[in-house]
Amino acid sequence: GDSVTQMEGPVTLSEEAFLTINCTYTATGYPSLFWYVQYPGEGLQLLLKATKADDKGSNKGFEATYRKETTSFHLEKGSVQVSDSAVYFCALRKRAAGNKLTFGGGTRVLVKP
Amino acid sequence: NAGVMQNPRHLVRRRGQEARLRCSPMKGHSHVYWYRQLPEEGLKFMVYLQKENIIDESGMPKERFSAEFPKEGPSILRIQQVVRGDSAAYFCASSRGGTSFGTDTQYFGPGTRLTVL
Repeated sequence: GDSVTQMEGPVTLSEEAFLTINCTYTATGYPSLFWYVQYPGEGLQLLLKATKADDKGSNKGFEATYRKETTSFHLEKGSVQVSDSAVYFCALRKRAAGNKLTFGGGTRVLVKP
Repeated sequence: NAGVMQNPRHLVRRRGQEARLRCSPMKGHSHVYWYRQLPEEGLKFMVYLQKENIIDESGMPKERFSAEFPKEGPSILRIQQVVRGDSAAYFCASSRGGTSFGTDTQYFGPGTRLTVL
């Protein structure tokens, strides 16, 4: 079945450091790919998405490029802030599977001042 | 415009009791999804509903769990005779539906954290 694998956390960084969170997927066909962010005590918020190969999603300084050849959708940010401390989830969705999202295990990021 | 509302935010039940979780979708949204997040794990899909219809319940345990989304009122996820293994965070999401597949974004509620003693 479909699956998403993320790097395990926690990832601890200093402010203004570069952040990369790896995400790879296994799925047949052409899924849409998503990054969601969960701040402490809150629900998930959509951070960015890409619906086809080579698309780049971007939002709030975060970027991720849909790489079909490596089945990856790595999340990057050039300069993190303390407010970026959260849990980040990579997810996929396939039209053939209805509208349900398949999530990775999540990566906790802690940014220290 | 209020987001997806879930209540209660925290629910404590003893083994054998019933848990009832409520979800009010965003205004204008007619599709609801329930996901479960076990401790230290990612979210797992449970069920997808439209008004008065269950579209996909492939992720829902066959016994003790049920979901509904009536014509009026919130969506309800019901867990009968709860066991300790049901302790988890249950998230509801809603979407507008009726749009192209690529743009029907799911918006998540804050979740209900169920603890079974």
